[in-house]
Amino acid sequence: DAGITQSPRHKVTETGTPVTLRCHQTENHRYMYWYRQDPGHGLRLIHYSYGVKDTDKGEVSDGYSVSRSKTEDFLLTLESATSSQTSVYFCATTSLIDPTGELFFGEGSRLTVL
Amino acid sequence: SQQGEEDPQALSIQEGENATMNCSYKTSINNLQWYRQNSGRGLVHLILIRSNEREKHSGRLRVTLDTSKKSSSLLITASRAADTASYFCATDGAGGSEKLVFGKGTKLTVNP
Repeated sequence: DAGITQSPRHKVTETGTPVTLRCHQTENHRYMYWYRQDPGHGLRLIHYSYGVKDTDKGEVSDGYSVSRSKTEDFLLTLESATSSQTSVYFCATTSLIDPTGELFFGEGSRLTVL
Repeated sequence: SQQGEEDPQALSIQEGENATMNCSYKTSINNLQWYRQNSGRGLVHLILIRSNEREKHSGRLRVTLDTSKKSSSLLITASRAADTASYFCATDGAGGSEKLVFGKGTKLTVNP
């Protein structure tokens, strides 16, 4: 196990409210990723980080922001949640110098936006 | 956009049979990976094959890669009920990309 903890694991919220998901890792991994998983779409990359304060957009970044102030924490924020953001969110990290090596995943955060 | 595309979308077999899943991708890659996801859980890495490799084994898993056809296959031999899961391929898209792109997955059901 790569020691990746996601919180909260389940959240129900209303449209228009802000939501922050947290990913915490204990392995000192450099790269961290946020994916969302939806039926029929598989996993799609939202944002990723290649170091403290270094982040970049993924395939489906609209409506999401991220922050990484410490190596171990990567936060995903939905400033104003919409129903289309109902999904399961996965955090992943990789320890290798090559960021496209093996990814370690958290257990997921299931978000429902009503 | 999805780089890898798994086929079939769903596969149902009996215990003891072999399961084969395929992945096709669009652009050059440095490596291709396979992951497993049990229901309600995170993904778990199974195997990585580099673009200069043609075949790789890990226990009951056998992965092949054909870069000329831009395709890979995952074979699970002597399947067990515990192999029931979704299986995803992931590619790096080459060109110095820092991210993996996942396909939509194959849902495998192994019946006891």
